[in-house]
Amino acid sequence: GESVGLHLPTLSVQEGDNSIINCAYSNSASDYFIWYKQESGKGPQFIIDIRSNMDKRQGQRVTVLLNKTVKHLSLQIAATQPGDSAVYFCAENNSGGYNKLIFGAGTRLAVHP
Amino acid sequence: GAVVSQHPSWVICKSGTSVKIECRSLDFQATTMFWYRQFPKQSLMLMATSNEGSKATYEQGVEKDKFLINHASLTLSTLTVTSAHPEDSSFYICSARAGGGQKNIQYFGAGTRLSVL
Repeated sequence: GESVGLHLPTLSVQEGDNSIINCAYSNSASDYFIWYKQESGKGPQFIIDIRSNMDKRQGQRVTVLLNKTVKHLSLQIAATQPGDSAVYFCAENNSGGYNKLIFGAGTRLAVHP
Repeated sequence: GAVVSQHPSWVICKSGTSVKIECRSLDFQATTMFWYRQFPKQSLMLMATSNEGSKATYEQGVEKDKFLINHASLTLSTLTVTSAHPEDSSFYICSARAGGGQKNIQYFGAGTRLSVL
């Protein structure tokens, strides 16, 4: 759905731990999803994507899980490193409809040594 | 691959002046580019979709005469903030769409921080 909110939720983890960032989307017609990472003062960086005909996709140290039943998306980061500290956004797309990305509110990941 | 360059990265201007921001796809052709605005600690808000060779499509509430978009080539889109005022101060980010079919991967520029005095 549309992104709202003035305060980003923060996830604090210890270096080396696994991180799980969650995202709820609103449009059941969305068929494509992307996770982006945004560091302070920079543009979003593509991390991983997943189509709606899949429920899991793995990349390097990252895994995206999609649960269409409850319209939930998660990003798992293995062995979190200080360089992973950033704001993470999920984005949904309806290729048969408006075909533009709708961004979630974002989650700030803070990695502590 | 899939590099998007945005310029300038930071601009300060006086109220009433116009500012142009450029967005270039460096290693791929992008028939569609997007312009977003982002306020501190908030998400990206789509302003408009820029299509090469045609008029931009603006989101509801975005003034097309205020934010002029030109997409003259497959690698360049520009956003001009006309008669800028302090309330236009924000972080503006462009993206270019790569891939076809159902994939709508957008690659983003580094953003432009606009400060209007």
